[in-house]
Amino acid sequence: RKEVEQDPGPFNVPEGATVAFNCTYSNSASQSFFWYRQDCRKEPKLLMSVYSSGNEDGRFTAQLNRASQYISLLIRDSKLSDSATYLCVVYLTGGGNKLTFGTGTQLKVEL
Amino acid sequence: NAGVTQTPKFRVLKTGQSMTLLCAQDMNHEYMYWYRQDPGMGLRLIHYSVGEGTTAKGEVPDGYNVSRLKKQNFLLGLESAAPSQTSVYFCASSDPGQGTGNTIYFGEGSWLTVV
Repeated sequence: RKEVEQDPGPFNVPEGATVAFNCTYSNSASQSFFWYRQDCRKEPKLLMSVYSSGNEDGRFTAQLNRASQYISLLIRDSKLSDSATYLCVVYLTGGGNKLTFGTGTQLKVEL
Repeated sequence: NAGVTQTPKFRVLKTGQSMTLLCAQDMNHEYMYWYRQDPGMGLRLIHYSVGEGTTAKGEVPDGYNVSRLKKQNFLLGLESAAPSQTSVYFCASSDPGQGTGNTIYFGEGSWLTVV
């Protein structure tokens, strides 16, 4: 089983739709959680951290369920510019501040 | 600030050749990393460094060597390139002590093809 698993998609949604991605992680000792965004042929960039209480940044809402070991990302009112791959990232204890990346979920927002 | 800079951006190598990818960061970060990204595999950690003069193996270190002689630079070497090393390579840095937590900042990537 992979340490971090995501549905690869693609998710094709019309502009204005609400879309949700889930991610599961295998190590219950995981400490921190993030969503990164990666555009085609570009580097990953931090979208938002994920906190236990859930957090929101504009149209984006992240949730963490430690009991079930999954993380979610909700995007409301999708824009064309949201088209990208969304990477779930988990920080596991150990040396080097190591992050483990999911393979990503591809989102395509269409007119 | 330039952030994390990688060179070269594109390179084609013949099997058996050697090369070095250079990564430089100007954020005074302690930690630096080299990842490779392949279709369907996600980002995989090759080597990392927790400070000047130190390096450690990641998930897929075979066929690569690294050096961190200066805090701002992290070099990735391919000793004898193989077609399986065709990939996109990302350098990254982070520093929890600076208040950015576990956030990792990436360079723009280096596209390497081994023929």
